[in-house]
Amino acid sequence: GQQLNQSPQSMFIQEGEDVSMNCTSSSIFNTWLWYKQEPGEGPVLLIALYKAGELTSNGRLTAQFGITRKDSFLNISASIPSDVGIYFCAGDNYGQNFVFGPGTRLSVLP
Amino acid sequence: GAVVSQHPSRVICKSGTSVKIECRSLDFQATTMFWYRQFPKQSLMLMATSNEGSKATYEQGVEKDKFLINHASLTLSTLTVTSAHPEDSSFYICSARDHLNTGELFFGEGSRLTVL
Repeated sequence: GQQLNQSPQSMFIQEGEDVSMNCTSSSIFNTWLWYKQEPGEGPVLLIALYKAGELTSNGRLTAQFGITRKDSFLNISASIPSDVGIYFCAGDNYGQNFVFGPGTRLSVLP
Repeated sequence: GAVVSQHPSRVICKSGTSVKIECRSLDFQATTMFWYRQFPKQSLMLMATSNEGSKATYEQGVEKDKFLINHASLTLSTLTVTSAHPEDSSFYICSARDHLNTGELFFGEGSRLTVL
């Protein structure tokens, strides 16, 4: 079935650094979503992407829908301690069920 | 953004009892809702797709009689863990799709079940 890969699996960064993570698939998706999950909480939608090549920002977060429609990346600029959490990507293929990546676990060191 | 609410957020029960978890879409109608299970430090595992007015579609390996799903209205789906056992202890999360607007998927806050 469809699978998403996320890299890196985990990362430790210093406060103030920029972060980059990506999501790849062997299948084409028509929508990419990025979520953040904090411990004991449900995932919260950060950014939604609908068109190949689309670049969308939400505050310090920027995400892009890859041209091939098989990948997406998420960047976080000037990280702060509250950015800690697990970041999931999800791909949707024409209204069928969303497929989720395994997540990237982000730790921010003060 | 759209809001999905889950209740209860935490529940502790004795082995052999049944537990019901509710998932509500508060400001949009959801013909489809999804139920996930999440183990510590792992991704979301889709258990079933809840369809309003019809039977749920379960993923392979998920016991239908163990995890009863009812989607009686466009804003409410329930997951009942029947005859719960300690191995059913987990974090259960629902999501709902806002089909009429953006098509985006919104998650509930999650429900942590502990079976003693």
